[in-house]
Amino acid sequence: GQQVMQIPQYQHVQEGEDFTTYCNSSTTLSNIQWYKQRPGGHPVFLIQLVKSGEVKKQKRLTFQFGEAKKNSSLHITATQTTDVGTYFCAEDSSYKLIFGSGTRLLVRP
Amino acid sequence: GAVVSQHPSRVICKSGTSVKIECRSLDFQATTMFWYRQFPKQSLMLMATSNEGSKATYEQGVEKDKFLINHASLTLSTLTVTSAHPEDSSFYICSAASGVYEQFFGPGTRLTVL
Repeated sequence: GQQVMQIPQYQHVQEGEDFTTYCNSSTTLSNIQWYKQRPGGHPVFLIQLVKSGEVKKQKRLTFQFGEAKKNSSLHITATQTTDVGTYFCAEDSSYKLIFGSGTRLLVRP
Repeated sequence: GAVVSQHPSRVICKSGTSVKIECRSLDFQATTMFWYRQFPKQSLMLMATSNEGSKATYEQGVEKDKFLINHASLTLSTLTVTSAHPEDSSFYICSAASGVYEQFFGPGTRLTVL
């Protein structure tokens, strides 16, 4: 079946360091969405990317969609303790979301 | 963003009992609602997709007779875990969509089966 792999599984950074999570698919993605889930919470929508090579920014967060639409990345500049959580990519396939495995981010103050 | 509620937030039950979880879209009409299950430190796995007034579509490997879904109105969907067993213990999350791409997630229901 369709799978969206995410790496790393887990990352522990010092506050102020940058963080990147990568999402990879063996098939071409129609689009990619990114979600953040705080510990004990539910996923919150961050952004959707649709176009090949698309780059979008939200303050310290930069989202990229690969030229071949098979990979995507989320980069956080100068992490803060409020960035703690698990970041999931997800493909919206016929209105169904297929979630990646997630990257858990911990930030040391 | 739109608000989706879930009830109860937490439930503990004995093995063999049935548990009903409600998912409500509070400020919009949801044409489609989704049910996910998330085990500790794992990703969300889609269980089923439900459209108002029609039968739910279940993902492969999800028993439709065990996880009963009813989507009676554009603002309410229910998931009933029938004859729950300890292996059904999980975090159940619903989401609602109004036709555009964004899904709005409920706060989740943590089910513990003793």
